[in-house]
Amino acid sequence: RKEVEQDPGPFNVPEGATVAFNCTYSNSASQSFFWYRQDCRKEPKLLMSVYSSGNEDGRFTAQLNRASQYISLLIRDSKLSDSATYLCVVVYNTDKLIFGTGTRLQVFP
Amino acid sequence: GAGVSQSPSNKVTEKGKDVELRCDPISGHTALYWYRQSLGQGLEFLIYFQGNSAPDKSGLPSDRFSAERTGGSVSTLTIQRTQQEDSAVYLCASSLRGGDSPLHFGNGTRLTVT
Repeated sequence: RKEVEQDPGPFNVPEGATVAFNCTYSNSASQSFFWYRQDCRKEPKLLMSVYSSGNEDGRFTAQLNRASQYISLLIRDSKLSDSATYLCVVVYNTDKLIFGTGTRLQVFP
Repeated sequence: GAGVSQSPSNKVTEKGKDVELRCDPISGHTALYWYRQSLGQGLEFLIYFQGNSAPDKSGLPSDRFSAERTGGSVSTLTIQRTQQEDSAVYLCASSLRGGDSPLHFGNGTRLTVT
């Protein structure tokens, strides 16, 4: 089993739709979690951290479920500009960062 | 510019040649990571530097790969006797203190081995 797993997609959704991605991790000692966004042929950029109590940033909501060992990202009112690959990152052993392979989102008009 | 800088942005080399890739992290960032990404694939961890500690080299795919970080700042990734399977985008990232501090990526070096 991979340490961090994501559904590769693509998720094709119309503008205005709500879409959610999950990311599962295998190491129960994982300490920190992040979502990164990567546009085609560009470097990844931090989208948001994921806090234990869940957190929201505008149209984006991140949640952590430690019992089931997954994190999620919810995007409301999807925009064309949200089209990208969304990477989850899990940190354990203080400095070990593991990236998922990413979930591709395509928002169409 | 205060971002992570990588050079060259593109490198085409012949199989068997050595290449050096450079990364200039954000000033003051103690942690520096190298990843590589093949077309359509995820990020593969290569090596991690944190301050003056011994680097975590657990991701280097073979002994043809090495990296150093001089003076806690600039890092170079060297690939000796390049092979076609080394073709990928090599991404460098730095963070303030490693661990749970966010990564800032450079634009990457696109390496093509012919």
